[in-house]
Amino acid sequence: RKEVEQDPGPFNVPEGATVAFNCTYSNSASQSFFWYRQDCRKEPKLLMSVYSSGNEDGRFTAQLNRASQYISLLIRDSKLSDSATYLCVVNRDSNYQLIWGAGTKLIIKP
Amino acid sequence: GAVVSQHPSWVICKSGTSVKIECRSLDFQATTMFWYRQFPKQSLMLMATSNEGSKATYEQGVEKDKFLINHASLTLSTLTVTSAHPEDSSFYICSATSFVLASGDTQYFGPGTRLTVL
Repeated sequence: RKEVEQDPGPFNVPEGATVAFNCTYSNSASQSFFWYRQDCRKEPKLLMSVYSSGNEDGRFTAQLNRASQYISLLIRDSKLSDSATYLCVVNRDSNYQLIWGAGTKLIIKP
Repeated sequence: GAVVSQHPSWVICKSGTSVKIECRSLDFQATTMFWYRQFPKQSLMLMATSNEGSKATYEQGVEKDKFLINHASLTLSTLTVTSAHPEDSSFYICSATSFVLASGDTQYFGPGTRLTVL
């Protein structure tokens, strides 16, 4: 089983729609969780950290469910510029190494 | 702030040659640097963790004699792919952390180096 699993997609979504991704992780000792976005042939960029209480940043909302070991990302009012691959990232135990999901590809259509 | 550069951004080389990739933290001193490799449509795979002045810690399955890492200063780490072969063609990305700037979980990424081995 992969340490971090994501649906690879692609998710084809019309502009303005709401889309949600989930991610599951296997290491119950993980403490830090993140969503990154990666554009084609570019380095990943931090989108947001994920906190136990859930957090929101504009159109983006992240949730963490420790009991079920999954993380979610919700994008509201999607824009064409949201088209990218979204990577779920979890830290490994107590050190600072990050374990990356393979990413979910999102395509926003006009 | 927190800019990480990589050089070169892309390189094409012949099979059997060695390629050196530099990773620099331009405006901060890095506590730790990480080297990743990403094949098309796959996730970032951590290759090694590097701290200044000490030997890098390699992930299982990564050959340390093939992927030489030198972390000479708090702002520079280099990855040398020795005797490169076509299967080494990949996107190599470095990142750096700084406990001064943020928690250890925050990694600042370089723009990546695309290696093509003919």
